[in-house]
Amino acid sequence: QVQLVESGGAMVQPGRSLRLSCAASGFTFRNYAIHWVRQAPGKGLEWVALVSHTGTGKYYADSVKGRFTISRDNSRNNVDLQMNSLKTEDTGLYYCAKDWTRFGVVAPDTWGQGTQVIVSS
Amino acid sequence: QTVVTQEPSLSVSPGGTVTLTCGFSSGSVSPTNYATWYQRTPGQPPRTLICSTYTRSSGVPHRFSGSILGNKAALTITGAQADDDSDYYCVLYLGNGILLFGGGTKLTVL
Repeated sequence: QVQLVESGGAMVQPGRSLRLSCAASGFTFRNYAIHWVRQAPGKGLEWVALVSHTGTGKYYADSVKGRFTISRDNSRNNVDLQMNSLKTEDTGLYYCAKDWTRFGVVAPDTWGQGTQVIVSS
Repeated sequence: QTVVTQEPSLSVSPGGTVTLTCGFSSGSVSPTNYATWYQRTPGQPPRTLICSTYTRSSGVPHRFSGSILGNKAALTITGAQADDDSDYYCVLYLGNGILLFGGGTKLTVL
């Protein structure tokens, strides 16, 4: 079955960096775009970033543009989210999710369990 | 700045019908926004209910349906059950690889 497992969450100080990873299995990874979505404590879901199935298309929410970088390795079925210049408002539970459709972008469909990021001094 | 709007809260009686909507602060939702709906319960990842406006996700009961109503996307629950008491989120595709979630609707079944 489709499985996505996030890792790398931690508590870090503002201004520091963190790298999240998403390991995928159970589907043809190279055919699907992958999203990162987060949820801050007491807040709603926020779309963060997307990498296309080939890895050439990379898209970001305005709130993270210029600070976060998404990448994928189709040989290892893995997606990373490099987060730099972290702010307290980046605190939250970060999910990776597979897109619903092959070779395109529609919306997150199957989700991992999430990894917790806490940005605090 | 584009904002995706949802009702903050709604309530429905058991067995009743309720419609949640998902719209733009200005403009209309169309099928090319691929409205997708999620149910969010504490301690669990989001559960995908409806993809791309109309398509029920695998294993989702038929009482959940998606549509376009007027200028908004809609999620209708027909014959609400107690375990539908949850938070519901929509996401819209804005184009150029960008997506935006609504603020969520807290649905109470009582």
